[in-house]
Amino acid sequence: DQQVKQNSPSLSVQEGRISILNCDYTNSMFDYFLWYKKYPAEGPTFLISISSIKDKNEDGRFTVFLNKSAKHLSLHIVPSQPGDSAVYFCAASAQLGLNTPLVFGKGTRLSVIA
Amino acid sequence: GAVVSQHPSWVICKSGTSVKIECRSLDFQATTMFWYRQFPKQSLMLMATSNEGSKATYEQGVEKDKFLINHASLTLSTLTVTSAHPEDSSFYICSARGTGREYGYTFGSGTRLTVV
Repeated sequence: DQQVKQNSPSLSVQEGRISILNCDYTNSMFDYFLWYKKYPAEGPTFLISISSIKDKNEDGRFTVFLNKSAKHLSLHIVPSQPGDSAVYFCAASAQLGLNTPLVFGKGTRLSVIA
Repeated sequence: GAVVSQHPSWVICKSGTSVKIECRSLDFQATTMFWYRQFPKQSLMLMATSNEGSKATYEQGVEKDKFLINHASLTLSTLTVTSAHPEDSSFYICSARGTGREYGYTFGSGTRLTVV
C-alpha cells in the first residue's frame, strides 16, 4: 500500500514555462515533506522541504505547496530550465524520532524542452 | 553541508560471492543510517534502519542474513550482500541522519550492483 503517491510518471514542459509536480499521501501522521531530484545512477539531491505547520515554502525557482486537508502537495518550478530535467521524488516522514525513515513516491520524470 | 560518501559507485560480481558497500558521513555524526534499494523505474524502497552500535531493523521481506548491515561507528555503516544472485542486482543507496533536523536524510551517491 503506497503511502506516498506520484500519479504522473512523466511530465514534459517547455523551457521558461512552469512545471508542476504533484504528490498525494495517505498517512495523516506525516508532518514533514521533501522533494528530491535524482539523475540515473546517482543519489537523490535535496531540493526543498515543508513542515506541516506551513502551507507554502519558497526557495528561488522552487516553491512547494501543502494542502493538509487534501493530503496533497505540489512542487512548482518556474521558470523551467533544461537542466531541471530529471526524476523528482516526493518524500514524507513523521517526526516520531530519528529512526523514522523517509517514505518515497515512485517519482515523476520531468523533461524540459528547449 | 552534510556529506555522505558511498563506495563503490558500481560493482559487478559473480553469483555466490559477497559484496560490501560502505557509507561514511564526512562532516557529521550519523546517528541513524537508512539503506534503500531502487529497481528500474521504481521508488526507493527502505530495506533497513540501523543505529550506531545496535542491530539493524529490517523491513518486512528483507532477509537479514542476506543483507548484513553493520553500523559500528557514528561515521561508518556497511551493507554486505552475501551470496549474491542476479535478482539482487539493483541500485543501493544509503541515507544518514544526524542529530537535529538540519542534518536530516543526507543521501550517498548510490551503488549500482550487477550480479552475473
